[in-house]
Amino acid sequence: DARVTQTPRDKVTEMGQEVTMRCQPILGHNTVFWYRQTMMQGLELLAYFRNRAPLDDSGMPKDRFSAEMPDATLATLKIQPSEPRDSAVYFCASGEGFGTTEAFFGQGTRLTVV
Amino acid sequence: DAKTTQPPSMDCAEGRAANLPCNHSTISGNEYVYWYRQIHSQGPQYIIHGLKNNETNEMASLIITEDRKSSTLILPHATLRDTAVYYCIHDPGNEKLTFGTGTRLTIIP
Repeated sequence: DARVTQTPRDKVTEMGQEVTMRCQPILGHNTVFWYRQTMMQGLELLAYFRNRAPLDDSGMPKDRFSAEMPDATLATLKIQPSEPRDSAVYFCASGEGFGTTEAFFGQGTRLTVV
Repeated sequence: DAKTTQPPSMDCAEGRAANLPCNHSTISGNEYVYWYRQIHSQGPQYIIHGLKNNETNEMASLIITEDRKSSTLILPHATLRDTAVYYCIHDPGNEKLTFGTGTRLTIIP
């Protein structure tokens, strides 16, 4: 059963520490999305990639956030340094892109910065 | 940015049809209407999408008006497991999938 896998599922870290979240998209999907969800802001699109190239990362705070796809099977979202306001659930999704197919979401990483 | 308008919340009795409306008056000719839902603490789940014609799958039906400025998602026989936030999006096809605030649907036993 193909699915998007995110690790870790939960992360508690201290302010100022680096946080790396990982996502394994579904094999063969060429589009990867990163979202952040909070009670106040809802689901916010942070960045998305197509064929491993970033197409739009305008939703991402550039000073501390970075997103990469080292290869087709791994997407990473890094926060350095982390701040309490970064506490949220971060979702990764993948899709086939350039068409009408659905996007598949992972279970999310719940990040708490204390 | 693509913008849709949905009622913030709705209730529906278990076993009845749930009809969730969405206005997307700014939709472009090449954009599809997508519906997703998010059950508490899970990632969003795709339900259905369409361009012009009405669509049906095992989960739901999608009715799109002729001018394409609005649509209705129909869950034909709602169950308690359908309680979720439902999002309507218009997008040219996995381009940006920008989510709004959605409709919180509560199925009443």
